[in-house]
Amino acid sequence: KAGVTQTPRYLIKTRGQQVTLSCSPISGHRSVSWYQQTPGQGLQFLFEYFSETQRNKGNFPGRFSGRQFSNSRSEMNVSTLELGDSALYLCASSPSGTSGATDTQYFGPGTRLTVL
Amino acid sequence: AQSVTQLDSQVPVFEEAPVELRCNYSSSVSVYLFWYVQYPNQGLQLLLKYLSGSTLVKGINGFEAEFNKSQTSFHLRKPSVHISDTAEYFCAVMPADGFGNEKLTFGTGTRLTIIP
Repeated sequence: KAGVTQTPRYLIKTRGQQVTLSCSPISGHRSVSWYQQTPGQGLQFLFEYFSETQRNKGNFPGRFSGRQFSNSRSEMNVSTLELGDSALYLCASSPSGTSGATDTQYFGPGTRLTVL
Repeated sequence: AQSVTQLDSQVPVFEEAPVELRCNYSSSVSVYLFWYVQYPNQGLQLLLKYLSGSTLVKGINGFEAEFNKSQTSFHLRKPSVHISDTAEYFCAVMPADGFGNEKLTFGTGTRLTIIP
């Protein structure tokens, strides 16, 4: 089974621009979560999507948004980029479909975003 | 809310020596516990997890961890490390509240360096 894939792997943008990152989960997985990893703040939860609906949300400003498609693929968008948005953005998928989070999250390799 | 503390930011260990990476957590609800490893320029790979049952959990690459509810700890151990174990290790918790809450809360990570 193919793992979680993320595209692109590297991205360079300038302040004020917007960016869209893509995540394809493991086949059959219905939940997709996004995390931001920075040296200063570590790994922080952005949001989770399940069946095309945002199910959980972290403490990030509204500039960060996402969506999930019917095939479970997910995109994350950041508008009006700031220097502090430079980070590794990780996507994780899990089979979760029922109440109770007993499924493991499997991570992709991440997208390295640099904002200049 | 949950929080995870990894007291040791860096741990140097000689090759073939044992190692213990410490993890303590705080939560108002029951949690599931995870250890992930991150190699340079890669995403996170699951080492092991505790969901329920036996408090001693065995994972990949010879790692094991023990859940101690009274001490709210989930320390990771390996009896004999190899050069290839050089990486950053993250402890994480997820609420086991049965509401499909798939948010992982991570510790700040422990960088394990193996000395030849």
